[in-house]
Amino acid sequence: EDKVVQSPLSLVVHEGDTVTLNCSYEVTNFRSLLWYKQEKKAPTFLFMLTSSGIEKKSGRLSSILDKKELSSILNITATQTGDSAIYLCAVEVGGGTASKLTFGTGTRLQVTL
Amino acid sequence: KAGVTQTPRYLIKTRGQQVTLSCSPISGHRSVSWYQQTPGQGLQFLFEYFSETQRNKGNFPGRFSGRQFSNSRSEMNVSTLELGDSALYLCASSPGLGITDTQYFGPGTRLTVL
Repeated sequence: EDKVVQSPLSLVVHEGDTVTLNCSYEVTNFRSLLWYKQEKKAPTFLFMLTSSGIEKKSGRLSSILDKKELSSILNITATQTGDSAIYLCAVEVGGGTASKLTFGTGTRLQVTL
Repeated sequence: KAGVTQTPRYLIKTRGQQVTLSCSPISGHRSVSWYQQTPGQGLQFLFEYFSETQRNKGNFPGRFSGRQFSNSRSEMNVSTLELGDSALYLCASSPGLGITDTQYFGPGTRLTVL
């Protein structure tokens, strides 16, 4: 059974801190790994990492895929209160008509003043 | 452009009933995926539709079904509801093929089964 595990489950930091969120996976036929940010209800897409694109950066957020260690990290520098959310990691397995996403349970990040 | 819309936003049903949820994707998007989110299991993939055809399916029983119409709007049906079906049901649309194409999520339908 495909498994995606995120750590820590929750995290409280002060504004300005740097945080690192972890995602590890045990899946068959890995295709890509995705990060989402979920505030309130609708998750919003952050990054997609594949074998041909193992590092992505957008502003204060960056992510790296380690295919050898079967894991990924999401880094947020100079955190702001607006970064408070649940961060979800998902792994795509299969491909074409057999493709599906398996999600981790998320890391709840709270950024305080 | 209007975002993904889902109706209804909240729903209360009793065990044994059936329910139909609706999702209207962003204009021009042809792929619609459905997800179930519960505190215990997190976000789980239900199925994906593209051009009125189911392309991918998660590990859910046959009580969960869906369809997509020619205008890309999609419906999800759950029959013989169980208490464990209480969850937030999210749909996401994307412009192209594949569930990993950039997906835009709707606000969700909160289903409570009593």
